[in-house]
Amino acid sequence: KNEVEQSPQNLTAQEGEFITINCSYSVGISALHWLQQHPGGGIVSLFMLSSGKKKHGRLIATINIQEKHSSLHITASHPRDSAVYICAVSLGNQFYFGTGTSLTVIP
Amino acid sequence: DSGVTQTPKHLITATGQRVTLRCSPRSGDLSVYWYQQSLDQGLQFLIQYYNGEERAKGNILERFSAQQFPDLHSELNLSSLELGDSALYFCASSPRLSRQGSTEAFFGQGTRLTVV
Repeated sequence: KNEVEQSPQNLTAQEGEFITINCSYSVGISALHWLQQHPGGGIVSLFMLSSGKKKHGRLIATINIQEKHSSLHITASHPRDSAVYICAVSLGNQFYFGTGTSLTVIP
Repeated sequence: DSGVTQTPKHLITATGQRVTLRCSPRSGDLSVYWYQQSLDQGLQFLIQYYNGEERAKGNILERFSAQQFPDLHSELNLSSLELGDSALYFCASSPRLSRQGSTEAFFGQGTRLTVV
């Protein structure tokens, strides 16, 4: 049983397109995290949110606590956005991870 | 650069062996987390330490153990290694222990372990 589900699993987009990645979770959470993992393997924490919406550059993350759903949006996508995007939820000191969405942005 | 340093970057070893992975957290961060990322299971939380004490345990095998030292660096020990232990092992640190868990974590670059 997966506490965190992401969709889509794979996504290919043309440069400049608006991208949405979705995350649903089934447990009560303290916070939801969006992580980015580049082909080299390193992981970067993009957002941590427990309500509402956060924006950083071309990235926007939203969360709906009642619906247990979060979305990560990328505006004006660029090839350098190509990476795996992982949704994770934290409950106390435990973390549960989605399996990731592999994004490829084509020039 | 997240400020979290993991060594070694790559490690190849034989089945049955024991290895130690090292993590230096960001300066001032008291909390260290260990994660395993394998091809078939994705990222999994293994264990968390805060200021030298174990605070949370995830899917960590009995063959694995960890500790956090007084200088706050942490080591993950993997013994009696099996082929299935081949994975990326990540360490992350955060500044504090939040009872509500809403604390941002900063990840290292990972150690890629290959068991042959």
